[in-house]
Amino acid sequence: AQSVTQLGSHVSVSEGALVLLRCNYSSSVPPYLFWYVQYPNQGLQLLLKYTSAATLVKGINGFEAEFKKSETSFHLTKPSAHMSDAAEYFCAVTGNTGTASKLTFGTGTRLQVTL
Amino acid sequence: DAGITQSPRHKVTETGTPVTLRCHQTENHRYMYWYRQDPGHGLRLIHYSYGVKDTDKGEVSDGYSVSRSKTEDFLLTLESATSSQTSVYFCAIRPAGEGYEQYFGPGTRLTVT
Repeated sequence: AQSVTQLGSHVSVSEGALVLLRCNYSSSVPPYLFWYVQYPNQGLQLLLKYTSAATLVKGINGFEAEFKKSETSFHLTKPSAHMSDAAEYFCAVTGNTGTASKLTFGTGTRLQVTL
Repeated sequence: DAGITQSPRHKVTETGTPVTLRCHQTENHRYMYWYRQDPGHGLRLIHYSYGVKDTDKGEVSDGYSVSRSKTEDFLLTLESATSSQTSVYFCAIRPAGEGYEQYFGPGTRLTVT
């Protein structure tokens, strides 16, 4: 079984401030973890992924995430927010590396960036 | 661009009518998925396919059926649409041999009145 919890359905930051979006996971097997971004009226775009190669993962648009097994967390960060980062962000996990590797998604965090 | 298209992109239908959504991919990926997205629920898996004629249920499969007669097409059918099936539907593919990530289509917004 696997699950994802995203703390905070809405996060607001000022332009230039640190972005921190929280994700905690549960998985009965070693997890693969992902962050996706969704801009209004669009599909989901992969930001970054953790596949056990390195605990600090760098993604597109200056985002990165750190896998912490002891805390079962995979928080997403960006040092300096930009207006274009306003979107909804989803954390996802799969622990099933069998036939279909089904993803389980969190409920999402909407990021607002203000001037 | 993962070469995924969905049709129609928008549809309004009446309760009780059948509806079929189409997902088309151009890169011969084996694995395909249908999700629905609803506020407060994130994305939830409806059905998935691991090959032509090979499909299985996800966590919210009641009221939905799927078919995959060709590698490139994965169809989602609502046999008798209900208002609870008003949602945004996303198709996804998973490339084989990579890190298990999925790539998503642009979505279909379905409204059942």
